[in-house]
Amino acid sequence: GAVVSQHPSWVICKSGTSVKIECRSLDFQATTMFWYRQFPKQSLMLMATSNEGSKATYEQGVEKDKFLINHASLTLSTLTVTSAHPEDSSFYICSARPSATSYNEQFFGPGTRLTVL
Amino acid sequence: EDQVTQSPEALRLQEGESSSLNCSYTVSGLRGLFWYRQDPGKGPEFLFTLYSAGEEKEKERLKATLTKKESFLHITAPKPEDSATYLCAVQAGSSASKIIFGSGTRLSIRP
Repeated sequence: GAVVSQHPSWVICKSGTSVKIECRSLDFQATTMFWYRQFPKQSLMLMATSNEGSKATYEQGVEKDKFLINHASLTLSTLTVTSAHPEDSSFYICSARPSATSYNEQFFGPGTRLTVL
Repeated sequence: EDQVTQSPEALRLQEGESSSLNCSYTVSGLRGLFWYRQDPGKGPEFLFTLYSAGEEKEKERLKATLTKKESFLHITAPKPEDSATYLCAVQAGSSASKIIFGSGTRLSIRP
């Protein structure tokens, strides 16, 4: 149980284009999902917290107009990197916390490797 | 400010050589401490949640313990397949739902 998927697993795009990454909780409902970014040999950096049906909460220093988050259902959140540039190249990971109140844990997706040329 | 510090940064062990990884934390009102395992190029895999000092949890060769200031992940008789980065994270009472990650310990087990 508690499986989270991400699509795509990797993407290469040209500078200036937009890229959408999907995060789905497959066997549970998640009121809250999270988006992280990870650079090589570094830990996870929280970008934003996504709540179903409301606006995402962005961490300090994260541009909300560049990283658009939509959490339209209890099983799907999307991250759109708009007008991507080479410095946006990174490993993006989502996580989901089950809506059931007995859970505090977050369960992570397999990640999406974004390379911007 | 809530902080999580893991040590050592990297650890190389011989197969069968037991050891412990440390996670020190400073948070206002601990709501939960989590251990994850991360393999290269993959998302973190959930291992344990600990809630209160004195609590212990085990899974195969891994045992996690918690005190008021730190947590240990003990690995007994490790195998090469235990090689990974182990991440510690905490959820504080002031942080609503988000969790704060440590920088991780890269564990390498030589056959």
